[in-house]
Amino acid sequence: ETGVTQSPTHLIKTRGQQVTLRCSSQSGHNTVSWYQQALGQGPQFIFQYYREEENGRGNFPPRFSGLQFPNYSSELNVNALELDDSALYLCASKAGGPTGTDTQYFGPGTRLTVL
Amino acid sequence: QQQVKQSPQSLIVQKGGISIINCAYENTAFDYFPWYQQFPGKGPALLIAIRPDVSEKKEGRFTISFNKSAKQFSLHIMDSQPGDSATYFCAASTGFQKLVFGTGTRLLVSP
Repeated sequence: ETGVTQSPTHLIKTRGQQVTLRCSSQSGHNTVSWYQQALGQGPQFIFQYYREEENGRGNFPPRFSGLQFPNYSSELNVNALELDDSALYLCASKAGGPTGTDTQYFGPGTRLTVL
Repeated sequence: QQQVKQSPQSLIVQKGGISIINCAYENTAFDYFPWYQQFPGKGPALLIAIRPDVSEKKEGRFTISFNKSAKQFSLHIMDSQPGDSATYFCAASTGFQKLVFGTGTRLLVSP
């Protein structure tokens, strides 16, 4: 088990609503990335945060936004939810900064269902 | 486009057999190639990884074979065990940053 925790475990929302997902990094990890994993697919990179700033973004619209706090915990916010946003959202943390060679450790994910 | 193609989609191997999963990539800027194991209800866990300056890396029963000229890499699981039954993802990245994942292989090791 890694030290990365995510909350909530499961979440059900309706189309058009907004959602906030939370991630607590493993101790000492200063870089956090978020991934979206649709059912039966591999995770897709959403964005990465380092020193409380976005440091790289995948092919996701601006309604996906995030925050990193001084204690390195992080939030993923999704506005105007769409049905296709239903997925497992994974948080991954690592030490050593964005370009460091340290391993990324994934949390268990938050399963979001949009109805 | 940055893609990693993974095959097969699913695999059934008898206990004690060898499981082989293959991946191919296009982006020659990729310089880090990890394999992740994911159990139901869990996040992906790093299994083994390789850099392109070596052609093979072995850790216990797990081996990565890497062919830079063909832009392919594969995972071999020797002496496969029922506990290895999981979904396996290959991935690639440039500079240990954004990981690009394959679509996954669901492995079932029969007793």
